[in-house]
Order: sequence, then structure tokens, then C-alpha cells
Amino acid sequence: LAKTTQPISMDSYEGQEVNITCSHNNIATNDYITWYQQFPSQGPRFIIQGYKTKVTNEVASLFIPADRKSSTLSLPRVSLSDTAVYYCLVGDVMNTGFQKLVFGTGTRLLVSP
Amino acid sequence: NAGVTQTPKFQVLKTGQSMTLQCAQDMNHNSMYWYRQDPGMGLRLIYYSASEGTTDKGEVPNGYNVSRLNKREFSLRLESAAPSQTSVYFCASSDPGQGGSGANVLTFGAGSRLTVL
Repeated sequence: LAKTTQPISMDSYEGQEVNITCSHNNIATNDYITWYQQFPSQGPRFIIQGYKTKVTNEVASLFIPADRKSSTLSLPRVSLSDTAVYYCLVGDVMNTGFQKLVFGTGTRLLVSP
Repeated sequence: NAGVTQTPKFQVLKTGQSMTLQCAQDMNHNSMYWYRQDPGMGLRLIYYSASEGTTDKGEVPNGYNVSRLNKREFSLRLESAAPSQTSVYFCASSDPGQGGSGANVLTFGAGSRLTVL
């Protein structure tokens, strides 16, 4: 399984754009990159997933360079409610459709007024 | 649409007692997982079930057993609880991502907070 490395914590202010980078140097050809968000006392929830280049949804954007050894989660104009822990995962889907998913320590984002 | 339901939400045990955490999903997902999360830490995979009828060890399986009762239900059992098992336990289920390709997308339950005295 590809190991991921993220900053332990980040601080931001409301209205700013936040970029969280994840390093995954040994990512395999079939691996996808997935980001989750976790609020205190809740289970993580899916934010975005991608394989290469750029993916955007209503919540965030995910930038993946050509070598795929890192990825950046971009949160536009954060608000106080974006204060959470963000996890980056990489892994592939086996022939059975199963993926063994291992979480890292995540990045704790604190958004201040 | 309940998603993933875990019971109980809270439990206090004495050292040596046993208990079972229950998990059920109504999304017809093939794969199910049990994670634990200690204070201020990330999630660690205890056991998983790739499909009905199969289970396998994750990163921290010692002290736990699991049963994939059917496609919907995946239980986690502590045979002899220890204080080191004090944690929040999360059950999750998954199916392949968008359009059936890509990585699995996990849906988590609300968690079960276990304290072992």
C-alpha cells in the first residue's frame, strides 16, 4: 500500500483559499487518490477522488501532477465550518472490486474568523 | 436512507469483559471495514471484509474478532477487553467509485465510543 505524508496541521482565515498537499512517492499505476474530511465525534466523509490532472466538484478541487507523486486538495474560500481533519488515501481496486484502505494521520485545519 | 448504522453509541466495560459492536449497512455494499481511532490520532484498520463470507486482518487485529453475518452486517467482538482498547470504533462500507471504476469510496457510521476501565 502506498504510504502518504501530509502536514500535521494548517491554519487559515475565513474567505481564504486553502491548499493541503499530500505526498505519495510510491503510488502505483492503478492507485487512485481520495480525500476525506472528519469533524470531531463523527466518521470521515468523502470529499473528492481523482487519478490524474484536475478534478473539481461542488466542495473542492484536486490537483494531481503528471508524475502523480503528490496531490493537492484545494478548498476555495474556507469558512469556520471547514475546520476539520483532512485525510489523503491512495489505493487501487483489486479485481474483486475491493480496496484495502489505510488512513494516515491527516491534516488538522483550523479556520479562524 | 440510514447508510451505516452502529450500535451501541457508547459503552463502558471493565477489564476482561466481552462485548460485540454491531454494524449494518443498507446500501448493498460488498465491502465492510472496522477502524479504531484513539484521541488525536488517525484511523487504524482492525479488520475488513472484502465481500460476504470473507474477512481478513488489518493493521491492528490483536484482541478482536469479526463476523460477516450477511451482506448487510459486520460485527466486531472484544473477547476480553483491555484498557488499551479504549477508543472510538468506526464501521464503514464501500463499493467502487464513480461509474464502477476508480477507488472505493467509504461511507462511515457515526462511531461507537468504548471505554475500558
